[in-house]
Amino acid sequence: SQQGEEDPQALSIQEGENATMNCSYKTSINNLQWYRQNSGRGLVHLILIRSNEREKHSGRLRVTLDTSKKSSSLLITASRAADTASYFCATGSNYKLTFGKGTLLTVNP
Amino acid sequence: NAGVTQTPKFQVLKTGQSMTLQCAQDMNHNSMYWYRQDPGMGLRLIYYSASEGTTDKGEVPNGYNVSRLNKREFSLRLESAAPSQTSVYFCATRSYEQYFGPGTRLTVT
Repeated sequence: SQQGEEDPQALSIQEGENATMNCSYKTSINNLQWYRQNSGRGLVHLILIRSNEREKHSGRLRVTLDTSKKSSSLLITASRAADTASYFCATGSNYKLTFGKGTLLTVNP
Repeated sequence: NAGVTQTPKFQVLKTGQSMTLQCAQDMNHNSMYWYRQDPGMGLRLIYYSASEGTTDKGEVPNGYNVSRLNKREFSLRLESAAPSQTSVYFCATRSYEQYFGPGTRLTVT
């Protein structure tokens, strides 16, 4: 069963706009991670936010975490066509990560 | 460094045939994982190995076996392939985040 669930399932925006995708999870976490997957490729780690952090930035990425609501959001600012990909959140502890089903982001030039 | 490598990249099997998917990492990580990815299902964990000499079932282990040959290599075997095993298979290793291989696209006819 999936621990994290992304929302929306698909998102289409114009280049230069911001993209926001959300992740909800069910049980307590130590950290939450976001990954990107370009079509036909393996997943690539983007950012990790720990349970005691509320916000984290990495370049054009901003991640927030609300443990009281068991939710996280990923904001991509000033999107580019190259940001077109699927985005997954992942949660877990010890050795295992559980991935959501992903948000497919399409950035139109 | 190659990171995580998988062979083969593509494979077509007939129902009942067997095959082994190979994975190797040069990142000196203890943990290794096998996932399958199906449309609309996200990534599902098949088996994982927390360290050399140990393996454990994930979410969907039926029909698969694994071998952690040494710290570098973790193989996935399909003893009698079924059409339901048509999927994209990803190997991964982990420190805090996971590092994925490029995937093996398997079709069972």
